[in-house]
Amino acid sequence: ETGVTQTPRHLVMGMTNKKSLKCEQHLGHNAMYWYKQSAKKPLELMFVYSLEERVENNSVPSRFSPECPNSSHLFLHLHTLQPEDSALYLCASSLSLQATYNSPLHFGNGTRLTVT
Amino acid sequence: AQTVTQSQPEMSVQEAETVTLSCTYDTSESDYYLFWYKQPPSRQMILVIRQEAYKQQNATENRFSVNFQKAAKSFSLKISDSQLGDAAMYFCAYRIQTGANNLFFGTGTRLTVIP
Repeated sequence: ETGVTQTPRHLVMGMTNKKSLKCEQHLGHNAMYWYKQSAKKPLELMFVYSLEERVENNSVPSRFSPECPNSSHLFLHLHTLQPEDSALYLCASSLSLQATYNSPLHFGNGTRLTVT
Repeated sequence: AQTVTQSQPEMSVQEAETVTLSCTYDTSESDYYLFWYKQPPSRQMILVIRQEAYKQQNATENRFSVNFQKAAKSFSLKISDSQLGDAAMYFCAYRIQTGANNLFFGTGTRLTVIP
């Protein structure tokens, strides 16, 4: 039990498809995050939600659309993606947005996305 | 700019030996937290160890310990008695107090453990 569960594990989609990534956390955390992980680059923060309210949209193209219906679930809706969007997408959660010793980020296993 | 530098893209260690992974960072903040995360082939980022910047004492977690040099902005990870299960990508990160985009990662070090 990882505490943060992501589905699907792998996703292959064409540039005209619409798909969604799902993240669920069982830790009672109030903040949730989407990160993009590309080879040889630092993790890139995409979106941050705190208590279901988006607090950060890190200059992400509109073809990525997040949704946070409650504090336990986070979605990333994808449409008309480009091949350069192929990457590992990681979801994370933390007790709060504030950086404290007891509020590190907990990550899921990620979704490996391939855009063809 | 907030940056984290991991100068060793790849490292290897013999099983049961000790290895040190280096990390330097750059921030103008005085209060922050430092982390080492491990990412095995399962892809999940697992928190290995954390350090509060205002504490001088180096954190330890079983076989994992850090050498934190605040003035030098250095935060290295030492793995003692290396095990095959330690093979993974290791990411250094720090988190500042301000803003929602407050966690900064390095590019990682791939650790291979040789039996």
